[in-house]
Order: sequence, then structure tokens, then C-alpha cells
Amino acid sequence: DVKVTQSSRYLVKRTGEKVFLECVQDMDHENMFWYRQDPGLGLRLIYFSYDVKMKEKGDIPEGYSVSREKKERFSLILESASTNQTSMYLCASSPDRGAISYEQYFGPGTRLTVT
Amino acid sequence: GIQVEQSPPDLILQEGANSTLRCNFSDSVNNLQWFHQNPWGQLINLFYIPSGTKQNGRLSATTVATERYSLLYISSSQTTDSGVYFCAVTYNQGGKLIFGQGTELSVKP
Repeated sequence: DVKVTQSSRYLVKRTGEKVFLECVQDMDHENMFWYRQDPGLGLRLIYFSYDVKMKEKGDIPEGYSVSREKKERFSLILESASTNQTSMYLCASSPDRGAISYEQYFGPGTRLTVT
Repeated sequence: GIQVEQSPPDLILQEGANSTLRCNFSDSVNNLQWFHQNPWGQLINLFYIPSGTKQNGRLSATTVATERYSLLYISSSQTTDSGVYFCAVTYNQGGKLIFGQGTELSVKP
């Protein structure tokens, strides 16, 4: 059974704090993604990674950074949390080119509130 | 970029009814997925269906890639089917998903 896990389901942080959101997948997928979901705006891509130590900006990377030191783990970092980063954060993974299927799988999500 | 449109935006059904959700996309894609977002926010994979027809229990899906649309059929709906259904596509293998705005389904007992 495929599995993507995220470190927290709910998180409350204060403005200015450094926040780490962790994501781990056990499917040996090359690609990993971080999205955020907001009412009225849908799901938007923040960053993605197609290999260890590689990263690419998505549609809304401002205020975020990422780290991928191991294939199975992809971390999202909020350098200095702000209230407009209050959101639902979803991590996902998928195989890369050459796979039979490119199906993307999601973790359970982290609801982050910044006060 | 690719546009993904879902219809209807909202749907209310009585338990036992059937429904069809539609997803239109504006360009060629090589991946199309249907998801159900449960009340806790998790996206549950329903179908990976870049083309053709698949069935899984009471749910089935059809994608006509040449005409740029996909349909999700829910038969004999149950209250547990309530939630938001998303269609999402990619145009490059393994790349980011582009999501539609979703169809919010409410099944009444």
C-alpha cells in the first residue's frame, strides 16, 4: 500500500517563527511536491523536487524554501512565518519518466495556523 | 497554461441517486487523475485515467483524450460519498498536477 506521511496534522505557530513541515514517502518515487490549498484559490504548487538535492520553484515559492537530502524525504520551510501562510499544506510524490504510471499520491495534509 | 474546468460546482443528491461529474481541459495531457477530498482534507486517489474507461465498485470514469474531457460516474450514492471531487491533469510525465476547482457533492440520507 502506497504511503505518504506528513509530520503533523495540525500546527499552530507564531508570526516570525521558523516552521518545518516534513513529508516522507515509501514508494521510492523520484518526484515530490508541496502544494497549498486555500478557499477560492484551489491547490497551488509551492515547490517540487525531481531528485535528491534538486528543487524547482512552483507557482508561489515566495516565503518558502525546501530541502531534499534523502530520496524519501522532502521538507518545506517557512523561514519567517506570516499570517498569510495560514493554509492547508499537502505533500505529494510520483514516479519520474520511464515509469508505467505517473500517478501522484498525497499525504494527509497539515493545517497550519499562524497567529 | 492548461485550464481545467469542472462542472457542476455543487451537487446535492438523495442517497441512492446516480450522478455524473465532468472535467474539461484545454490542451493535450498525459495524465489525468480523479480525487475525493474527505472531510479531514486528505486527497484520496480514485482513478488514474489518461484515456479509456475504468471501474471501481460504484464509481467509474471515462476519459476521451481527443475531445479533452473526462467523466466521473457515481452510482447508488451514499452519504459517505459527500465531499469535494477534483480532477487534475499534467502535460509532462511525472510533473505537477493542475487542478480544477472541484465539485462539492452532498449526499442526503
